[in-house]
Amino acid sequence: AQSVTQPDIHITVSEGASLELRCNYSYGATPYLFWYVQSPGQGLQLLLKYFSGDTLVQGIKGFEAEFKRSQSSFNLRKPSVHWSDAAEYFCAVGPSGAGSYQLTFGKGTKLSVIP
Amino acid sequence: NAGVTQTPKFQVLKTGQSMTLQCAQDMNHEYMSWYRQDPGMGLRLIHYSVGAGITDQGEVPNGYNVSRSTTEDFPLRLLSAAPSQTSVYFCASSSRLPGQETQYFGPGTRLLVL
Repeated sequence: AQSVTQPDIHITVSEGASLELRCNYSYGATPYLFWYVQSPGQGLQLLLKYFSGDTLVQGIKGFEAEFKRSQSSFNLRKPSVHWSDAAEYFCAVGPSGAGSYQLTFGKGTKLSVIP
Repeated sequence: NAGVTQTPKFQVLKTGQSMTLQCAQDMNHEYMSWYRQDPGMGLRLIHYSVGAGITDQGEVPNGYNVSRSTTEDFPLRLLSAAPSQTSVYFCASSSRLPGQETQYFGPGTRLLVL
């Protein structure tokens, strides 16, 4: 069975500092990987995704993530955090190809930003 | 193009009552899914559909029914609500076209069962 671990429940960073959110997954084959962001009381917005090819993927809002097959990781990074990035971030894994309807999510990492 | 829409936004039920959470998408997506979100639990898959007339169970299907008579709509039914079903419910849709299999989420329905 597929699973996703986000080891950090809550992270606090200062505005302008760099950010890395960790995500480790367990999956038997090459997965599809996603990062979503959720602001309080809102739905989920896709930040970026990895399907295949280049293991460093760029997303919206200046975020990027790197797929490392050997470490089963898909960590999210941003070089300089803005106060508006405060939100909850979810990593998700799904079967490649047909099967994107059944994602498995991590429990989320809440990001707080100090002005 | 409204994307994925959900109604109602918020609902309060008494234990034992029934209700239907509505979900619609206008992107002609084949795949649709229902998730519930509970604090500290992330999102968990309830039911999903790969096309009109085809549905299947996810991780936490007990207490919920679904049907899919059209491509656009995928309602979630609670036949007899229980306090354990207090949660935020998200509907999502995605295409089955290669390279476009990204799930897009609706704004959610907050359900409180007393």
